[in-house]
Amino acid sequence: RKEVEQDPGPFNVPEGATVAFNCTYSNSASQSFFWYRQDCRKEPKLLMSVYSSGNEDGRFTAQLNRASQYISLLIRDSKLSDSATYLCVVIIYNFNKFYFGSGTKLNVKP
Amino acid sequence: NAGVTQTPKFQVLKTGQSMTLQCAQDMNHEYMSWYRQDPGMGLRLIHYSVGAGITDQGEVPNGYNVSRSTTEDFPLRLLSAAPSQTSVYFCASSSQAEGQFFGPGTRLTVL
Repeated sequence: RKEVEQDPGPFNVPEGATVAFNCTYSNSASQSFFWYRQDCRKEPKLLMSVYSSGNEDGRFTAQLNRASQYISLLIRDSKLSDSATYLCVVIIYNFNKFYFGSGTKLNVKP
Repeated sequence: NAGVTQTPKFQVLKTGQSMTLQCAQDMNHEYMSWYRQDPGMGLRLIHYSVGAGITDQGEVPNGYNVSRSTTEDFPLRLLSAAPSQTSVYFCASSSQAEGQFFGPGTRLTVL
């Protein structure tokens, strides 16, 4: 079983739509959680951290559900520029482990 | 503050050649790592280091060596290049609070 699992997509949505991605993790010792964005042929870039209390950055909202072991990313009012692959990252510092999901591809269409 | 830098950006090798991919960070992070990403695939961890003088293997270490003599630098060495090592290589450095920061990548083709 993979440490981190994501739906690969692609998610094809029109501009202005709201879209949500989930990412499940298997190790209950996981300590930190992040969402990254990766554009084609570019390096992954940190989008936002994920906290138990949830956090919001403009049109983006991230949530952590420790009981069910998943994190989510909600994008409101999608823009064409949001088209990218979104990666979740789960970190277990005690074991120096960073686990990346394989990514969810989002295509926002006009 | 340059973040994570990688050189070269592009490289073409012949089978059997060796080379070193360079990675440096100026954020004073203890943790650094190397990943490879094949077309349409996720990141796979090659090697990582939790501090100067300490390295460990990741998911796909065969054919690669690393060393960490300073906090700033974490070079990746290909011992004898093979076509299966054609990929994009990303170096990353990280801290517990901030997550991982990636370099721009090295695009390697092995003929």
